[in-house]
Amino acid sequence: NAGVTQTPKFQVLKTGQSMTLQCAQDMNHEYMSWYRQDPGMGLRLIHYSVGAGITDQGEVPNGYNVSRSTTEDFPLRLLSAAPSQTSVYFCASTKGGTGRAQYFGPGTRLLVL
Amino acid sequence: EDKVVQSPLSLVVHEGDTVTLNCSYEVTNFRSLLWYKQEKKAPTFLFMLTSSGIEKKSGRLSSILDKKELFSILNITATQTGDSAVYLCAVDPNTGNQFYFGTGTSLTVIP
Repeated sequence: NAGVTQTPKFQVLKTGQSMTLQCAQDMNHEYMSWYRQDPGMGLRLIHYSVGAGITDQGEVPNGYNVSRSTTEDFPLRLLSAAPSQTSVYFCASTKGGTGRAQYFGPGTRLLVL
Repeated sequence: EDKVVQSPLSLVVHEGDTVTLNCSYEVTNFRSLLWYKQEKKAPTFLFMLTSSGIEKKSGRLSSILDKKELFSILNITATQTGDSAVYLCAVDPNTGNQFYFGTGTSLTVIP
């Protein structure tokens, strides 16, 4: 099992550019989430999905879109990048049911100039 | 408002010391509390606690939950430089997929 994988590892964008951060998991987990981590702010939830075809907003959804067409993949799209979106982005997946633990991907470091 | 608060924010100790990290929480519903270790990469799962008073142990790390007082502690005995990391506490509030994370405790172990 590869677990949770993310690409790219690092990306530099100019303000106004768009891009998609990829996330995939091979554990057949129902739940998937996107977080951003900024110094002193901890992990903040952007969007999450409880299954294929179902997504919802987290704490900081503005400027980001997601879709979940398959159980395995949960891409995060930045439509028009802004410097405030400079951050480290983590994707996580969780098996459904009681006693859930989140498993994180290796992260994508994004710099928006 | 649901929240998770960790203390101290940072800690510097010498190898061999014992440390205690704290996590208090306020959530509307509660399913479990989780501890993660984060070095310069993704958080890695350490423990999940669901029942009060039952200690979870893994080597030199142990953790316990007090559901009445709404807190958990993470103990690390005989610390090593490899324990240097940010330790994150998260609460699963049993609704949707909204895990609430604290801002973490940064632990530095000096040789």
